[in-house]
Amino acid sequence: GENVEQHPSTLSVQEGDSAVIKCTYSDSASNYFPWYKQELGKGPQLIIDIRSNVGEKKDQRIAVTLNKTAKHFSLHITETQPEDSAVYFCAEAGGSYIPTFGRGTSLIVHP
Amino acid sequence: SAVISQKPSRDICQRGTSLTIQCQVDSQVTMMFWYRQQPGQSLTLIATANQGSEATYESGFVIDKFPISRPNLTFSTLTVSNMSPEDSSIYLCSVRGLREETQYFGPGTRLLVL
Repeated sequence: GENVEQHPSTLSVQEGDSAVIKCTYSDSASNYFPWYKQELGKGPQLIIDIRSNVGEKKDQRIAVTLNKTAKHFSLHITETQPEDSAVYFCAEAGGSYIPTFGRGTSLIVHP
Repeated sequence: SAVISQKPSRDICQRGTSLTIQCQVDSQVTMMFWYRQQPGQSLTLIATANQGSEATYESGFVIDKFPISRPNLTFSTLTVSNMSPEDSSIYLCSVRGLREETQYFGPGTRLLVL
Protein backbone atom coordinates (compact mmCIF):
# COMPACT_ATOMS: atom_id res chain seq x y z
CA GLY A 1 0.00 0.00 0.00
CA GLU A 2 1.13 3.53 -0.68
CA ASN A 3 -1.39 6.08 0.50
CA VAL A 4 -4.73 5.96 2.29
CA GLU A 5 -6.92 9.03 2.68
CA GLN A 6 -9.54 8.91 5.43
CA HIS A 7 -12.45 11.29 6.02
CA PRO A 8 -13.73 12.87 8.13
CA SER A 9 -11.10 13.39 10.81
CA THR A 10 -13.83 14.03 13.39
CA LEU A 11 -17.44 12.86 13.36
CA SER A 12 -20.01 13.83 15.96
CA VAL A 13 -23.42 12.12 15.99
CA GLN A 14 -26.39 11.66 18.29
CA GLU A 15 -27.03 8.28 19.83
CA GLY A 16 -29.12 6.19 17.45
CA ASP A 17 -27.91 7.97 14.31
CA SER A 18 -25.73 6.32 11.66
CA ALA A 19 -22.06 7.11 11.13
CA VAL A 20 -20.12 6.73 7.89
CA ILE A 21 -16.35 6.91 7.50
CA LYS A 22 -14.79 6.88 4.04
CA CYS A 23 -11.34 5.92 2.79
CA THR A 24 -9.65 6.04 -0.58
CA TYR A 25 -6.47 4.31 -1.69
CA SER A 26 -4.16 4.48 -4.66
CA ASP A 27 -2.51 1.05 -4.98
CA SER A 28 -4.30 -1.16 -7.52
CA ALA A 29 -2.66 -4.23 -5.96
CA SER A 30 -4.42 -3.69 -2.62
CA ASN A 31 -6.70 -6.60 -1.84
CA TYR A 32 -7.33 -6.54 1.91
CA PHE A 33 -9.08 -3.75 3.82
CA PRO A 34 -9.36 -3.96 7.62
CA TRP A 35 -10.94 -1.48 10.00
CA TYR A 36 -9.70 -0.93 13.54
CA LYS A 37 -11.28 0.71 16.57
CA GLN A 38 -9.01 2.31 19.15
CA GLU A 39 -10.50 3.30 22.47
CA LEU A 40 -8.74 5.74 24.75
CA GLY A 41 -5.72 4.16 26.40
CA LYS A 42 -5.93 0.93 24.39
CA GLY A 43 -4.41 -0.59 21.29
CA PRO A 44 -6.30 -0.83 17.97
CA GLN A 45 -8.82 -3.67 17.79
CA LEU A 46 -9.92 -5.22 14.49
CA ILE A 47 -13.68 -4.77 14.10
CA ILE A 48 -14.30 -5.85 10.52
CA ASP A 49 -12.40 -6.50 7.32
CA ILE A 50 -13.17 -7.06 3.66
CA ARG A 51 -11.32 -8.64 0.79
CA SER A 52 -11.24 -7.46 -2.80
CA ASN A 53 -13.46 -10.23 -4.09
CA VAL A 54 -16.34 -8.99 -1.94
CA GLY A 55 -18.32 -5.76 -2.33
CA GLU A 56 -19.98 -5.61 1.06
CA LYS A 57 -19.75 -7.28 4.45
CA LYS A 58 -21.96 -6.86 7.48
CA ASP A 59 -21.59 -7.78 11.15
CA GLN A 60 -24.54 -6.70 13.30
CA ARG A 61 -24.48 -2.87 13.38
CA ILE A 62 -21.28 -2.58 11.39
CA ALA A 63 -20.92 -2.86 7.62
CA VAL A 64 -18.12 -2.20 5.19
CA THR A 65 -18.44 -1.55 1.46
CA LEU A 66 -15.71 -1.70 -1.16
CA ASN A 67 -15.61 -0.18 -4.64
CA LYS A 68 -12.44 -1.46 -6.29
CA THR A 69 -13.00 0.45 -9.49
CA ALA A 70 -13.17 3.76 -7.68
CA LYS A 71 -10.61 2.63 -5.06
CA HIS A 72 -12.68 3.56 -2.07
CA PHE A 73 -14.17 1.74 0.90
CA SER A 74 -16.42 2.83 3.72
CA LEU A 75 -17.40 1.86 7.26
CA HIS A 76 -21.04 2.18 8.24
CA ILE A 77 -22.20 2.04 11.87
CA THR A 78 -25.96 2.02 12.44
CA GLU A 79 -27.86 2.77 15.65
CA THR A 80 -24.76 4.29 17.23
CA GLN A 81 -24.27 3.98 20.97
CA PRO A 82 -22.01 5.97 23.33
CA GLU A 83 -19.67 2.99 23.57
CA ASP A 84 -19.01 3.33 19.83
CA SER A 85 -17.07 6.53 20.65
CA ALA A 86 -13.45 5.89 19.68
CA VAL A 87 -10.91 6.53 16.94
CA TYR A 88 -11.44 4.39 13.85
CA PHE A 89 -8.66 3.57 11.40
CA CYS A 90 -9.04 2.18 7.92
CA ALA A 91 -6.16 0.32 6.30
CA GLU A 92 -5.26 -1.40 3.05
CA ALA A 93 -2.77 -4.13 2.26
CA GLY A 94 -1.50 -5.91 -0.83
CA GLY A 95 0.54 -9.03 -1.34
CA SER A 96 2.93 -8.32 1.51
CA TYR A 97 -0.04 -8.18 3.91
CA ILE A 98 1.59 -5.20 5.66
CA PRO A 99 -1.16 -2.61 6.06
CA THR A 100 -0.99 1.10 5.41
CA PHE A 101 -3.25 3.03 7.76
CA GLY A 102 -5.41 6.08 7.32
CA ARG A 103 -5.05 9.02 9.67
CA GLY A 104 -8.03 8.03 11.78
CA THR A 105 -11.53 9.34 12.49
CA SER A 106 -12.50 10.40 15.98
CA LEU A 107 -16.15 9.35 16.40
CA ILE A 108 -18.11 10.96 19.22
CA VAL A 109 -21.57 9.61 20.00
CA HIS A 110 -23.59 11.95 22.18
CA PRO A 111 -26.14 10.30 24.52
CA SER B 1 -6.90 -14.08 17.86
CA ALA B 2 -3.64 -13.74 19.81
CA VAL B 3 -3.44 -12.15 23.25
CA ILE B 4 -0.62 -9.62 23.34
CA SER B 5 0.82 -7.96 26.42
CA GLN B 6 3.30 -5.11 26.62
CA LYS B 7 5.47 -3.84 29.45
CA PRO B 8 5.63 -1.15 30.64
CA SER B 9 2.17 0.22 29.86
CA ARG B 10 3.48 3.75 30.28
CA ASP B 11 6.62 5.58 31.36
CA ILE B 12 8.03 9.04 31.81
CA CYS B 13 11.70 9.30 30.92
CA GLN B 14 14.43 11.90 30.87
CA ARG B 15 16.01 12.91 27.59
CA GLY B 16 19.21 11.08 26.76
CA THR B 17 18.14 7.86 28.46
CA SER B 18 16.92 4.62 26.86
CA LEU B 19 13.81 2.52 27.45
CA THR B 20 13.22 -1.11 26.52
CA ILE B 21 9.65 -2.20 25.80
CA GLN B 22 8.69 -5.85 25.99
CA CYS B 23 6.04 -7.65 23.94
CA GLN B 24 4.76 -11.11 24.88
CA VAL B 25 2.27 -13.16 22.82
CA ASP B 26 0.29 -16.10 24.19
CA SER B 27 0.91 -18.27 21.12
CA GLN B 28 3.63 -18.79 18.56
CA VAL B 29 3.29 -16.27 15.75
CA THR B 30 5.34 -15.90 12.63
CA MET B 31 5.34 -12.16 12.17
CA MET B 32 5.92 -9.51 14.84
CA PHE B 33 6.01 -5.79 14.19
CA TRP B 34 6.64 -2.57 16.07
CA TYR B 35 4.63 0.57 15.33
CA ARG B 36 4.79 4.14 16.54
CA GLN B 37 1.69 6.28 17.02
CA GLN B 38 2.48 9.92 17.68
CA PRO B 39 -0.15 11.99 19.52
CA GLY B 40 -3.30 12.26 17.43
CA GLN B 41 -1.64 10.54 14.48
CA SER B 42 -1.91 7.30 12.58
CA LEU B 43 0.16 4.16 12.98
CA THR B 44 3.64 4.12 11.44
CA LEU B 45 5.55 0.88 11.02
CA ILE B 46 9.01 1.03 12.60
CA ALA B 47 10.26 -2.45 11.78
CA THR B 48 9.52 -6.13 11.39
CA ALA B 49 11.06 -8.18 14.18
CA ASN B 50 12.68 -11.30 12.70
CA GLN B 51 13.45 -14.30 14.84
CA GLY B 52 17.14 -15.07 14.96
CA SER B 53 18.19 -12.28 12.62
CA GLU B 54 18.31 -8.51 12.41
CA ALA B 55 15.04 -6.64 12.23
CA THR B 56 13.88 -5.13 8.93
CA TYR B 57 13.52 -1.38 9.35
CA GLU B 58 11.24 0.96 7.43
CA SER B 59 12.48 4.14 5.83
CA GLY B 60 13.29 6.75 8.45
CA PHE B 61 14.02 4.28 11.25
CA VAL B 62 17.48 2.92 12.09
CA ILE B 63 18.82 0.15 14.27
CA ASP B 64 21.00 2.43 16.38
CA LYS B 65 17.96 4.41 17.50
CA PHE B 66 15.47 1.51 17.74
CA PRO B 67 17.32 -1.76 18.39
CA ILE B 68 14.97 -4.75 18.31
CA SER B 69 15.38 -8.27 19.57
CA ARG B 70 13.29 -11.36 18.92
CA PRO B 71 14.78 -14.41 20.63
CA ASN B 72 11.78 -16.68 20.00
CA LEU B 73 8.34 -16.85 18.38
CA THR B 74 6.46 -15.32 21.31
CA PHE B 75 8.66 -12.48 22.57
CA SER B 76 10.24 -9.30 21.25
CA THR B 77 11.74 -6.10 22.64
CA LEU B 78 12.04 -2.61 21.24
CA THR B 79 14.52 -0.16 22.72
CA VAL B 80 14.12 3.56 22.22
CA SER B 81 17.67 4.89 22.56
CA ASN B 82 19.01 8.30 23.52
CA MET B 83 15.50 9.65 23.84
CA SER B 84 14.37 13.17 23.04
CA PRO B 85 10.94 14.78 23.54
CA GLU B 86 10.17 13.98 19.88
CA ASP B 87 10.15 10.28 20.84
CA SER B 88 7.07 10.83 23.00
CA SER B 89 4.57 8.45 21.41
CA ILE B 90 2.60 5.27 21.84
CA TYR B 91 4.66 2.25 20.81
CA LEU B 92 2.61 -0.74 19.67
CA CYS B 93 3.53 -4.36 19.19
CA SER B 94 1.62 -6.21 16.48
CA VAL B 95 1.50 -9.84 15.30
CA ARG B 96 0.07 -12.03 12.55
CA GLY B 97 0.56 -15.41 10.91
CA LEU B 98 2.84 -15.81 7.90
CA ARG B 99 0.14 -16.12 5.26
CA GLU B 100 -2.64 -14.55 7.23
CA GLU B 101 -3.95 -11.09 6.58
CA THR B 102 -5.31 -10.15 9.98
CA GLN B 103 -2.92 -8.22 12.20
CA TYR B 104 -3.48 -7.89 15.94
CA PHE B 105 -2.17 -5.16 18.23
CA GLY B 106 -1.03 -5.05 21.81
CA PRO B 107 -2.31 -2.43 24.28
CA GLY B 108 0.62 -0.10 23.62
CA THR B 109 3.30 1.59 25.70
CA ARG B 110 2.73 5.29 26.31
CA LEU B 111 6.06 7.08 26.50
CA LEU B 112 6.60 10.66 27.57
CA VAL B 113 10.11 12.10 27.29
CA LEU B 114 10.88 15.22 29.27
